[in-house]
Amino acid sequence: GESVGLHLPTLSVQEGDNSIINCAYSNSASDYFIWYKQESGKGPQFIIDIRSNMDKRQGQRVTVLLNKTVKHLSLQIAATQPGDSAVYFCAETDNYGQNFVFGPGTRLSVLP
Amino acid sequence: DSGVTQTPKHLITATGQRVTLRCSPRSGDLSVYWYQQSLDQGLQFLIHYYNGEERAKGNILERFSAQQFPDLHSELNLSSLELGDSALYFCASSVVPSNEQFFGPGTRLTVL
Repeated sequence: GESVGLHLPTLSVQEGDNSIINCAYSNSASDYFIWYKQESGKGPQFIIDIRSNMDKRQGQRVTVLLNKTVKHLSLQIAATQPGDSAVYFCAETDNYGQNFVFGPGTRLSVLP
Repeated sequence: DSGVTQTPKHLITATGQRVTLRCSPRSGDLSVYWYQQSLDQGLQFLIHYYNGEERAKGNILERFSAQQFPDLHSELNLSSLELGDSALYFCASSVVPSNEQFFGPGTRLTVL
């Protein structure tokens, strides 16, 4: 069954296109910013994190961009696949991996 | 499968009651985190234990408590339950305090 709210902002993308999921964070003193993926009926899954002294970090098919000036974080997914359909959460935390604060989440829907 | 186990999977109880949720971290992981996910509050960090000691507290109510045992499993105790405590409760683990946490499948608590 559904693990998260039914009225999350939704991003619909065509399979094979790139996806960009955005997040605004609140605490300019946060040291790390993290993206999690949560598929229906499952627990969140760590995707990638970025330290506050970086602007960009790349992983496998994913890139996270951090704009500290406007307190904005984005997750780019290249060549989006049906398996990418999920709710994506951003989170911010301090330097010790504690005191996580999560964003409300964005639902990504991949269209065939 | 993340390697983190949580029991029970579902729990239905009445207001005013007390319940205990159990989490077994991945083999070798010393850090255990507890989170609450509800429709209105989203994902919230509750508490973090590392090798048996409390490391950080988040939005955990005084009616809630947790502990981590010498075998590293953890329990989250919820007492004087209210309707608003109905939620999914996740635990996560990592080797050391880390952003890259592995989440269990969750316990769905319903308070009637």
